[in-house]
Amino acid sequence: EAGVAQSPRYKIIEKRQSVAFWCNPISGHATLYWYQQILGQGPKLLIQFQNNGVVDDSQLPKDRFSAERLKGVDSTLKIQPAKLEDSAVYLCASSLVGENNEQFFGPGTRLTVL
Amino acid sequence: QKEVEQNSGPLSVPEGAIASLNCTYSDRGSQSFFWYRQYSGKSPELIMSIYSNGDKEDGRFTAQLNKASQYVSLLIRDSQPSDSATYLCAVMTFGNEKLTFGTGTRLTIIP
Repeated sequence: EAGVAQSPRYKIIEKRQSVAFWCNPISGHATLYWYQQILGQGPKLLIQFQNNGVVDDSQLPKDRFSAERLKGVDSTLKIQPAKLEDSAVYLCASSLVGENNEQFFGPGTRLTVL
Repeated sequence: QKEVEQNSGPLSVPEGAIASLNCTYSDRGSQSFFWYRQYSGKSPELIMSIYSNGDKEDGRFTAQLNKASQYVSLLIRDSQPSDSATYLCAVMTFGNEKLTFGTGTRLTIIP
């Protein structure tokens, strides 16, 4: 079974530029998550989708971050404009629907904002 | 008070010994508990999940949960150098599927 796919793996941009990340979840996983992991910290949830609907985006900085999952499969996360403090690893995870279902992570995208 | 607390370490354990990793959580509504292993530069990998009080064993790993004390732990028996990583405790609260992570404990197994 293929895991969660993400691209790109690395991205370096200057502040105020925009950037987009892509995620393809495990086949059959209706729930998709985007996390931000800053060095030395645990992952922090940015947004959770179930199919193509948003379940939780309470910690998404909506003035600069946006995410979509138009067909209930792939998802994109965008940052515009980027700030220095957005330097982090952006992790995508997916799970089956259900409260005890385990989440599986993709390899992540390491973003450096200069 | 942080929602999920872990000792950041580093925790150093001799090869072959038992490594004990601890985690406390603040929300009594928490119902599902997970341990992830994260190697440097890699993404978190799920190694254990536990939902009810008591012990759950999987190979060299044992997860222990005590909901009354709001405490979950991970024991690694016969520690190997390949176990050297950061271990993240994650907690899911009843009513949603959101995981709240601790900051992780860095474990080093000394050959």
